[in-house]
Amino acid sequence: DAMVIQNPRYQVTQFGKPVTLSCSQTLNHNVMYWYQQKSSQAPKLLFHYYDKDFNNEADTPDNFQSRRPNTSFCFLDIRSPGLGDAAMYLCATSSGTGVTGELFFGEGSRLTVL
Amino acid sequence: AQKVTQAQTEISVVEKEDVTLDCVYETRDTTYYLFWYKQPPSGELVFLIRRNSFDEQNEISGRYSWNFQKSTSSFNFTITASQVVDSAVYFCALSEVNYGGSQGNLIFGKGTKLSVKP
Repeated sequence: DAMVIQNPRYQVTQFGKPVTLSCSQTLNHNVMYWYQQKSSQAPKLLFHYYDKDFNNEADTPDNFQSRRPNTSFCFLDIRSPGLGDAAMYLCATSSGTGVTGELFFGEGSRLTVL
Repeated sequence: AQKVTQAQTEISVVEKEDVTLDCVYETRDTTYYLFWYKQPPSGELVFLIRRNSFDEQNEISGRYSWNFQKSTSSFNFTITASQVVDSAVYFCALSEVNYGGSQGNLIFGKGTKLSVKP
C-alpha cells in the first residue's frame, strides 16, 4: 500500500493560474519535504516541515508556499506559475529522529504550465 | 560546500552484464550519510541504501553491492547480472547529520540513467 500519496499525479495549468498540489502520508512521520525535479535534473529541496516548524531553503522563490494543517497532510501552493515552474514535484517524509534516515517519496505530481 | 558528482549521465548495457555507477562526494562534515535511490519511469524515488560515514564496510544485497571508500570520497554502486527491470535513473545523495532535531537536507547528484537492453 502506498504510504506517501500525492495528488494529482498530473496537473496542467495556465501561466499565472494558481495551483495546489497535495501530499498525504500514513507513516505518522514528523518531517515532510517538497522537492522540485526538472527534466533530467536532480531533485532540489524547496522546503520542509519538522512537525509544524517550516524551513524554507534560501533559494526557494516566494512564488512557492506550503501549508501543513496536520501531521498527515502537506500542500504545495504555486501562486503564479511560470513556464519555468514546469517540473515534477516530489513529496517525501522521514521520521525525523534527529539522525538522517530514509526518506519515503511519493510518486510525484507532474506540473505542466501552458 | 556539499556536492555529489555522478559523472556518468547515461549507461547502456546488455542484460546479464555487470555495471558500476560512480558517485563522488564532497563535504566538510566528519559525520554524514550517503544514499542511493532508484527512480523508475513511474517517477517515485525508491530508497536502496544508506551508509554512515563511520561505516566503510562494503555491502551486498542480492545483485546489488556498494563500495564506500572515504579515502577517495566515493560511494559506487554495482549491479551484477543486470536485468531489464533495473532500467531507471539512479541517484546518489549526501546528507549531513543535524542533531538539532530537524532533518538535514539531501543533496542529490544529477543521476545516471541506466538502460538495460534484452
